[in-house]
Amino acid sequence: GAVVSQHPSWVICKSGTSVKIECRSLDFQATTMFWYRQFPKQSLMLMATSNEGSKATYEQGVEKDKFLINHASLTLSTLTVTSAHPEDSSFYICSEPAGVGGSEQFFGPGTRLTVL
Amino acid sequence: GQQLNQSPQSMFIQEGEDVSMNCTSSSIFNTWLWYKQDPGEGPVLLIALYKAGELTSNGRLTAQFGITRKDSFLNISASIPSDVGIYFCAGLANFNKFYFGSGTKLNVKP
Repeated sequence: GAVVSQHPSWVICKSGTSVKIECRSLDFQATTMFWYRQFPKQSLMLMATSNEGSKATYEQGVEKDKFLINHASLTLSTLTVTSAHPEDSSFYICSEPAGVGGSEQFFGPGTRLTVL
Repeated sequence: GQQLNQSPQSMFIQEGEDVSMNCTSSSIFNTWLWYKQDPGEGPVLLIALYKAGELTSNGRLTAQFGITRKDSFLNISASIPSDVGIYFCAGLANFNKFYFGSGTKLNVKP
């Protein structure tokens, strides 16, 4: 399957600062990447779909001005949490569709964000 | 976003026992995926199902795509301690969007 990396693996920041999370496809060119958020003991919730060369598509209830997504190249998508607050503390995971017709999905290792 | 109904929520079993978990949805999905997630890590794909009625195995794991396309189950046979983790189902809807079940936490007693 496809190999996806994320950086950083964990980050602690002060309230009000911005944090950038990188998602890289190591062996596959991805025109689309997905960003998920997972709170403790909960399932993954799709936040947005990152599209190379165009604007990201956000799920209902996700603030596009707070969670900035940039799909800079076919192997890199970034999520920036702007003016982070403690309630933004979560596990953020990216994934890329692969397989026939994008019918499979491979996840990065995730980024643990803690906002103090 | 849309969520799938996954059950059971958690299981406590003895090593060597078989395990079964399932997911149901009110919507039809084109693909069902089963993942395992260890603490602090991203989900790892276990099995992918593409056709209604399809039965697929991966070692001790077996999963089926329900005929109605609204459900799927995952079986684990002869469980071992390293099977411990959270198992998620995921359904592929239109526009390549995946929706996840709430997870089944599996505990295996040696």
